[in-house]
Amino acid sequence: NAGVTQTPKFQVLKTGQSMTLQCAQDMNHEYMSWYRQDPGMGLRLIHYSVGAGITDQGEVPNGYNVSRSTTEDFPLRLLSAAPSQTSVYFCASSYSKSVSYEQYFGPGTRLTVT
Amino acid sequence: GQSLEQPSEVTAVEGAIVQINCTYQTSGFYGLSWYQQHDGGAPTFLSYNALDGLEETGRFSSFLSRSDSYGYLLLQELQMKDSASYFCAATGYSSASKIIFGSGTRLSIRP
Repeated sequence: NAGVTQTPKFQVLKTGQSMTLQCAQDMNHEYMSWYRQDPGMGLRLIHYSVGAGITDQGEVPNGYNVSRSTTEDFPLRLLSAAPSQTSVYFCASSYSKSVSYEQYFGPGTRLTVT
Repeated sequence: GQSLEQPSEVTAVEGAIVQINCTYQTSGFYGLSWYQQHDGGAPTFLSYNALDGLEETGRFSSFLSRSDSYGYLLLQELQMKDSASYFCAATGYSSASKIIFGSGTRLSIRP
């Protein structure tokens, strides 16, 4: 099993550009989520999904869209990049809808917006 | 609002024991999780407490007191590889599927 994979690993965007961060898992997990981590800080939940076709907002959803058309994939779209979105983005998955259970994290995407 | 407080840095000696505390203020609290993150790496799950008391997993233990809104992670027989950041995370605010992380405690191990 590859676990949770994310692409790209690094990305530089100009202000106003849009892009999609890819996330996939091969563990048949119901729950998937996106976090951002700013330097010296904890992770903040952006969006999450408890199954295909079901998504909901987390703590910091503004400026981001998600969709979940399959169990395996959970892409994160930045609509119009801003310097404040410079961060490391982690995707995670869990077999349970209750996020109390172990979450498996991808390796992260390091995004810089200039 | 929802918040978790943990010390920003802790230093300990190789072979010793260290405790990392976490206090939380969340509504709809379900439980407390702990994650480890090495520099440049992804977080990895360590433990979860839903009930009061101590959970032990090898050299790591985690404790929860719901009445005190407090928990801690205990690391024993410290090794250099335990140098990392440790995050507590509270699950269940407004939904069983939501989680909020503390800002993390950077643990440095001295020989």
